[in-house]
Amino acid sequence: NAGVTQTPKFQVLKTGQSMTLQCAQDMNHEYMSWYRQDPGMGLRLIHYSVGAGITDQGEVPNGYNVSRSTTEDFPLRLLSAAPSQTSVYFCASSYYSFTGEEGYTFGSGTRLTVV
Amino acid sequence: AQKITQTQPGMFVQEKEAVTLDCTYDTSDPSYGLFWYKQPSSGEMIFLIYQGSYDQQNATEGRYSLNFQKARKSANLVISASQLGDSAMYFCAMRDDRGSQGNLIFGKGTKLSVKP
Repeated sequence: NAGVTQTPKFQVLKTGQSMTLQCAQDMNHEYMSWYRQDPGMGLRLIHYSVGAGITDQGEVPNGYNVSRSTTEDFPLRLLSAAPSQTSVYFCASSYYSFTGEEGYTFGSGTRLTVV
Repeated sequence: AQKITQTQPGMFVQEKEAVTLDCTYDTSDPSYGLFWYKQPSSGEMIFLIYQGSYDQQNATEGRYSLNFQKARKSANLVISASQLGDSAMYFCAMRDDRGSQGNLIFGKGTKLSVKP
């Protein structure tokens, strides 16, 4: 099925370890984003990309890196995991046309625990 | 600053009754869109309904409708004939108004519990 594919679904890391959360979309959307969701909070933007080769920081970027070498892929890297990064992570892709039409598709989420 | 406010952390509704989940927003963009998402206990974000700021009529999708009051900056979600499967977190969201960056700003959500 077309959509956003996120892997892995679950991950446990030790403090200081690094890892990459994978995200791929097959809808040819220009925009891709990473969000984190913590208890009692809505989703908060970590990093986003408006096209291949272009990325920028969101609301909570510290401790994370991204790159966008292709339209399809937008991996999120945790450089040195900390317990504060325990969260549920969502990748999303979206489009927005000059006519005002817009749509957002979310991956199924990654539940990350840092011990 | 752009903001989405959901004032009801938790709501209870009897099965088969209607329920309204509140959402107010603030934005400087004259053209905007409002979204509602459902997040069941399994964790995925499920798109429910969309309302554009210039839409003449309130959006409807099956049992979901949006009570859009532009002057009051509110976009409340109405679920008619609640079902047990409607028990979930519900998030109101709108596009980030800092240009066409393809991101959403979310409220903190409302946890809906449907009682049999």
